[in-house]
Amino acid sequence: QITLKESGPTLVNPTQTLTLTCAFSGFSLTTSGVGVAWIRQPPRKALEWLAVIHWDDLKRYSASMKNRLTITKDASKNQVVLTMTYVDPVDTATYYCAHYYYDNSGDSAIFDSWGQGTLVTVSS
Amino acid sequence: DVIMTQSPVSLPVTLGQPASISCRSSENLVYRDGNTYLTWFHLRPGQSPRRLIYKVSNRDSGVPDRFSGSGSGTDFTLKISRVEAEDIGVYYCMQGTQWPFTFGPGTKVDVK
Repeated sequence: QITLKESGPTLVNPTQTLTLTCAFSGFSLTTSGVGVAWIRQPPRKALEWLAVIHWDDLKRYSASMKNRLTITKDASKNQVVLTMTYVDPVDTATYYCAHYYYDNSGDSAIFDSWGQGTLVTVSS
Repeated sequence: DVIMTQSPVSLPVTLGQPASISCRSSENLVYRDGNTYLTWFHLRPGQSPRRLIYKVSNRDSGVPDRFSGSGSGTDFTLKISRVEAEDIGVYYCMQGTQWPFTFGPGTKVDVK
């Protein structure tokens, strides 16, 4: 059974750096095709994909956020960390991490499991 | 980026009656492997997203068979044959064919 859980600060001051951790179980980031993504949902707005890190350390970022985001993994600890610099009140959102899998045979599991989410408020 | 649109934005429903949500993409979602990575998610207030349908029409484990997905290319539909109270919430389509993956704006389903 796949589980993911996000953790991080609930309140961050504007211009500071936000660091979020996704702790997962039930899969390994050393397995070919596996990835972990971050997705957020601002209050009363739609879901927005932010970043993904793949088993081979390939990283992809939202173009609009690329300059502010860094995603890293510690496969031995089953953790993925998302860092966002220079946060603004518009970054207030619930942040989710989700499981991703794709292999070249077409087998896939795209965002089949999600964490419970963590609400981050950016305010002074 | 692939732009996803959904209609309607809001869908008042009568319990026990059918409901249908449309999703359109700005580009064809058929991937080079021949699959179409169109996914539907359901969000209830205070809960994390639940994947309902993947690759257009495949129901996830535990998803009631009153939910069905259809479509091809750029036009897709999620149907609920008989809406139940637990189906209330916001539905999102998402394309997973081309990075960055993109979501639709959501359709809010509530009781009339």
